[in-house]
Amino acid sequence: DAGVIQSPRHEVTEMGQEVTLRCKPISGHNSLFWYRQTMMRGLELLIYFNNNVPIDDSGMPEDRFSAKMPNASFSTLKIQPSEPRDSAVYFCASSKGGDGQETQYFGPGTRLLVL
Amino acid sequence: EDQVTQSPEALRLQEGESSSLNCSYTVSGLRGLFWYRQDPGKGPEFLFTLYSAGEEKEKERLKATLTKKESFLHITAPKPEDSATYLCAVRAGGGGNKLTFGTGTQLKVEL
Repeated sequence: DAGVIQSPRHEVTEMGQEVTLRCKPISGHNSLFWYRQTMMRGLELLIYFNNNVPIDDSGMPEDRFSAKMPNASFSTLKIQPSEPRDSAVYFCASSKGGDGQETQYFGPGTRLLVL
Repeated sequence: EDQVTQSPEALRLQEGESSSLNCSYTVSGLRGLFWYRQDPGKGPEFLFTLYSAGEEKEKERLKATLTKKESFLHITAPKPEDSATYLCAVRAGGGGNKLTFGTGTQLKVEL
């Protein structure tokens, strides 16, 4: 089975540019999560969706960040404009179920560097 | 606020030298404690979920245990391929599907 798919795997951009990260969850999973990982703060939840609906976006750092899930098989995380402090590894994860007991499975991540 | 603290931050073992990693947590109504393994340049890989104090789970050389305040990941006779960062996370009651992660223990097993 294909796991969570993320693209691009690496992104280098200049400050002020728009960055779009993409995620395809595991087929049949109905929850999707976006995380950011840095050395200083570890792994932090940015936002998650249940059945394509955003449930908790309290981790989104500021208005420059936005996320969408137009259908069950695709989600995007957009940063506009990007800043050097956004440099991090961004992970997407998905899970199946709705009772809170399900396990989250992570993608390989997108390593973002903003110059 | 939910908090997860992992110790030590880094651990170096000789092959075959057993040890334990600690995960202390403060959470309102635990609905699951999760252990993940993360290799460099990769996403976290799920290992275990524990739901109640006294519960134990095993997988190969790894055994996870849970009390009301902490969890341990015991590594028995480790091999170099066990080298990785081990992450602990908790899901709280009323927190929906949100996981709060610790910063991890970086394990290095040497020959």
